[in-house]
Amino acid sequence: DTEVTQTPKHLVMGMTNKKSLKCEQHMGHRAMYWYKQKAKKPPELMFVYSYEKLSINESVPSRFSPECPNSSLLNLHLHALQPEDSALYLCASSAGHRSYEQYFGPGTRLTVT
Amino acid sequence: AQSVAQPEDQVNVAEGNPLTVKCTYSVSGNPYLFWYVQYPNRGLQFLLKYITGDNLVKGSYGFEAEFNKSQTSFHLKKPSALVSDSALYFCAVSVAVGDYKLSFGAGTTVTVRA
Repeated sequence: DTEVTQTPKHLVMGMTNKKSLKCEQHMGHRAMYWYKQKAKKPPELMFVYSYEKLSINESVPSRFSPECPNSSLLNLHLHALQPEDSALYLCASSAGHRSYEQYFGPGTRLTVT
Repeated sequence: AQSVAQPEDQVNVAEGNPLTVKCTYSVSGNPYLFWYVQYPNRGLQFLLKYITGDNLVKGSYGFEAEFNKSQTSFHLKKPSALVSDSALYFCAVSVAVGDYKLSFGAGTTVTVRA
């Protein structure tokens, strides 16, 4: 099974709301990623977790807060977002780094009003 | 710094014709190269990768890619394109030493007409 699942598929939130995105994989992968993608653009890396520890934070604003409760789950907590944060948020996982391909989930389409 | 260039924003081909999507890279060190495809409103799907060894790599859905070290290229090819191959294609590179980062190209939109 090479599936990464993400919930919800769509999310509309106001600028004062708090919401969370969820990601799950059961491939035994030890690296998990959050990306932000604007339409027709490549994904932009936000965070990387390796063995459940945050290893990369690409200078993401603190209104985005990642969490890795266990090796299969990855959350992204959202608070006080701006309209420009509207995008497709992709989760991915890989068996390792460097030479290992990443498996992507279908994404959460986020709209901030 | 590592980078990837996809010189064509758009590629249009007729169904049944060969399809080529171009990618060049710039890294210091040995590159690990990847191709991903994205269908509308979907996540990225892994197609193939080059790590080491044979310069011709075969992947999913009949795609293949040729690694050319002298030209620093990793072009994606399919001998006979299908309408269902219409999608957004991304080339990506990670260096042999380093962390988990992939550098993605800007993407190439492929349209296959019936």
